[in-house]
Amino acid sequence: AQSVTQPDIHITVSEGASLELRCNYSYGATPYLFWYVQSPGQGLQLLLKYFSGDTLVQGIKGFEAEFKRSQSSFNLRKPSVHWSDAAEYFCAVGAGGTASKLTFGTGTRLQVTL
Amino acid sequence: GAVVSQHPSWVICKSGTSVKIECRSLDFQATTMFWYRQFPKQSLMLMATSNEGSKATYEQGVEKDKFLINHASLTLSTLTVTSAHPEDSSFYICSAGTSNTGELFFGEGSRLTVL
Repeated sequence: AQSVTQPDIHITVSEGASLELRCNYSYGATPYLFWYVQSPGQGLQLLLKYFSGDTLVQGIKGFEAEFKRSQSSFNLRKPSVHWSDAAEYFCAVGAGGTASKLTFGTGTRLQVTL
Repeated sequence: GAVVSQHPSWVICKSGTSVKIECRSLDFQATTMFWYRQFPKQSLMLMATSNEGSKATYEQGVEKDKFLINHASLTLSTLTVTSAHPEDSSFYICSAGTSNTGELFFGEGSRLTVL
């Protein structure tokens, strides 16, 4: 079965600093990978996804992520964080070769200091 | 992008009562919808897969008689928490997928508080 690990429970960065959120997955075949963001009391918003092709994917709000098969990783990055980026970030992997049934990581809470 | 809407956004009920949460795909037809449960400061746990016109598929450990799921049309799935108890208090989130890309779209979530 697939699984997702987000090693960092909580990260604090200063506004304007760069950001990298780590995500490692376990899946036998080529995975469908996602990053979602959740603001308090809200649903999830898709930031970006990887299905195939270019391993560096661009998402919304200036985020990007790189799929590294050799490291089973799909880390999320942003060159300059804004205070509005403070939220919970979830990495997810699609099960069974589809993008539909998702297994989520435990999430990383991002705090941005001014 | 596609929009998925949940109703109600929050609900408070007495222990022993039943609560129904609706999940609607507003601008697309969703052959499959998924129901997740999220405890405070935790991740989303898949509860069940809802298929239009057929019985839902429940994940291991989820009581199908307590969490009734109905997917009567291509745009509506409902989750009914029967005989709710305080331990059922949680944030319930649905998602819906299109058959084309398999991409999922999430609702805003419904917060259930059982007193």
